[in-house]
Amino acid sequence: EAQVTQNPRYLITVTGKKLTVTCSQNMNHEYMSWYRQDPGLGLRQIYYSMNVEVTDKGDVPEGYKVSRKEKRNFPLILESPSPNQTSLYFCASSFRRGGGSTGELFFGEGSRLTVL
Amino acid sequence: QKEVEQDPGPLSVPEGAIVSLNCTYSNSAFQYFMWYRQYSRKGPELLMYTYSSGNKEDGRFTAQVDKSSKYISLFIRDSQPSDSATYLCAMSSFGGYNKLIFGAGTRLAVHP
Repeated sequence: EAQVTQNPRYLITVTGKKLTVTCSQNMNHEYMSWYRQDPGLGLRQIYYSMNVEVTDKGDVPEGYKVSRKEKRNFPLILESPSPNQTSLYFCASSFRRGGGSTGELFFGEGSRLTVL
Repeated sequence: QKEVEQDPGPLSVPEGAIVSLNCTYSNSAFQYFMWYRQYSRKGPELLMYTYSSGNKEDGRFTAQVDKSSKYISLFIRDSQPSDSATYLCAMSSFGGYNKLIFGAGTRLAVHP
């Protein structure tokens, strides 16, 4: 089954305790991205990756790190989480086409993170 | 001002009603327009995709884009309880998926 898998789905942590949210896709997609979803603000892009070893900042990258060492995996790292990073996080992937893409992103089921 | 504005609702309608969901935007460079549907505790999934202006129909769903007014709409005919979800509009300039800007989402409830 084609899917994007995120773990953990739910996490409660404390300020400053490093954590990693994993994301894996089995569709051989070149493009992967992380979003956070907050009430009233919608989905905002944190980081994205066009291919292995190629990453770039989205609109809200502060406090986050990513890496893309393998095509299928794109972990999101919070080195020192703070309460304002409490949010619902989504990983997404897509085929990379040279312009004219349908814009179809395939999303994971989300990871709800609470930072106390 | 946000680049994409979307009324968060909630919108509650009886089964069988016609639903109209809307977004306005400010960036005239947007050319790709999408609607994603998000069920509770799930990730968004693409529902409709439109390039530039015009209408697109898929079953009970119709997407409309009016670039002159910077306004997009999603119509749902004969709404069903299974349509109850949050609907997110998304758009981007040339380049498609990479820099999608999402609306905040409208929560829709269709009651029997």
